[in-house]
Amino acid sequence: DIQMTQSPASLSASLGETVTIQCRASEDIYSGLAWYQQKPGKSPQLLIYGASSLQDGVPSRFSGSGSGTQYSLKISSMQTEDEGVYFCQQGLKYPLTFGSGTKLEIK
Amino acid sequence: QVQLQQSGAELVKPGSSVKISCKASGYTFTSYDMHWIKQQPGNGLEWIGWIYPGNGNTKYNQKFNGKATLTADKSSSTAYMQLSSLTSEDSAVYFCAQGLLSDWFAYWGQGTLVTVSS
Repeated sequence: DIQMTQSPASLSASLGETVTIQCRASEDIYSGLAWYQQKPGKSPQLLIYGASSLQDGVPSRFSGSGSGTQYSLKISSMQTEDEGVYFCQQGLKYPLTFGSGTKLEIK
Repeated sequence: QVQLQQSGAELVKPGSSVKISCKASGYTFTSYDMHWIKQQPGNGLEWIGWIYPGNGNTKYNQKFNGKATLTADKSSSTAYMQLSSLTSEDSAVYFCAQGLLSDWFAYWGQGTLVTVSS
């Protein structure tokens, strides 16, 4: 199985700050990566797919980049509604696997 | 618009089975894989498998072989997941999710909480 390692496990950011979350795959996943945001008691919401494509309706302050085994999610200007847990997911091979999550809070 | 409506929370005894449902609307149910995903409290997400309702084909995460059984009813556009021989490790929220033609999930059910307790 492809292991997905996320870092950091948690972080806090001030309003307006730029935030970056990392995701490393145990093998090359050829940009087959998605990012999700999950708020307490809710289902995950797709933010980014194909490593860098923004899902319809997602604010443009979210962006994704990376290739090979290393990927990142950037929030260019932290807003209060961006609090939540962020997960990466590889879509290259079965079984599909997720990172363990990054909890993002407002400082 | 695509909607996935899951059945309500379940409290079940160890050793028993439970069947949860996911009713789909807003797209052609028989044309796209329906995925199931497990989330234990405070834990991450685990992919269980998918079913293609058009012909009933399934693909499972090996970890869930013998634990989860995926079925679908075309007449009601409803996907089902049965979990058997339940233990405390099966206590979790279970989601159905739909990516249409992709293996990322733009559409999720609201989740079904399964609690295994005597």
